[in-house]
Amino acid sequence: DTGVSQNPRHKITKRGQNVTFRCDPISEHNRLYWYRQTLGQGPEFLTYFQNEAQLEKSRLLSDRFSAERPKGSFSTLEIQRTEQGDSAMYLCASSLFYNEQFFGPGTRLTVL
Amino acid sequence: EDQVTQSPEALRLQEGESSSLNCSYTVSGLRGLFWYRQDPGKGPEFLFTLYSAGEEKEKERLKATLTKKESFLHITAPKPEDSATYLCAVQAGNTNAGKSTFGDGTTLTVKP
Repeated sequence: DTGVSQNPRHKITKRGQNVTFRCDPISEHNRLYWYRQTLGQGPEFLTYFQNEAQLEKSRLLSDRFSAERPKGSFSTLEIQRTEQGDSAMYLCASSLFYNEQFFGPGTRLTVL
Repeated sequence: EDQVTQSPEALRLQEGESSSLNCSYTVSGLRGLFWYRQDPGKGPEFLFTLYSAGEEKEKERLKATLTKKESFLHITAPKPEDSATYLCAVQAGNTNAGKSTFGDGTTLTVKP
């Protein structure tokens, strides 16, 4: 069991640039989640997939954010036209149906 | 809307000094309540799942309990390595519900 992996671990970008993050879940897990976490706060839900279907997206999520999970395996999260307020830790988690979620190490995004 | 409130925000203990962390929640039909541990710069690490009032789970020096409105994480004779942020999350029992709603955590510091 290799756990959930995320790449890159750190990303520094300039305001207005696009960024893409990748998440590889635990292989037998059918659900994959994206969360965002800022300092001193708990993880905030962004979106989740069951297999390749995106089942829910946060109402607070800007149209600049998009996520995909082709073939129900890895997932990508893209942020277009980044803003300073997008600076945060982006966490990916996976689970088997409704069971407990296992998190990756996160991608730390800094927008200058 | 599901809500989770954790208290206290920060807790400082001497090694061996037992205490409890609180997680109060409101959710439309609880499917599960989860406790996680998070070390600085890392993703949350799963600790426990509780499903119904009266349920208890134990792991080493940690014990989690659940009532209809709150959960407690009891720490018995803590050690410095127990220092971390402890996060509580709830999952609603709606159809297709998958996301977890997190509290902002309790940061525990255990001094030797």
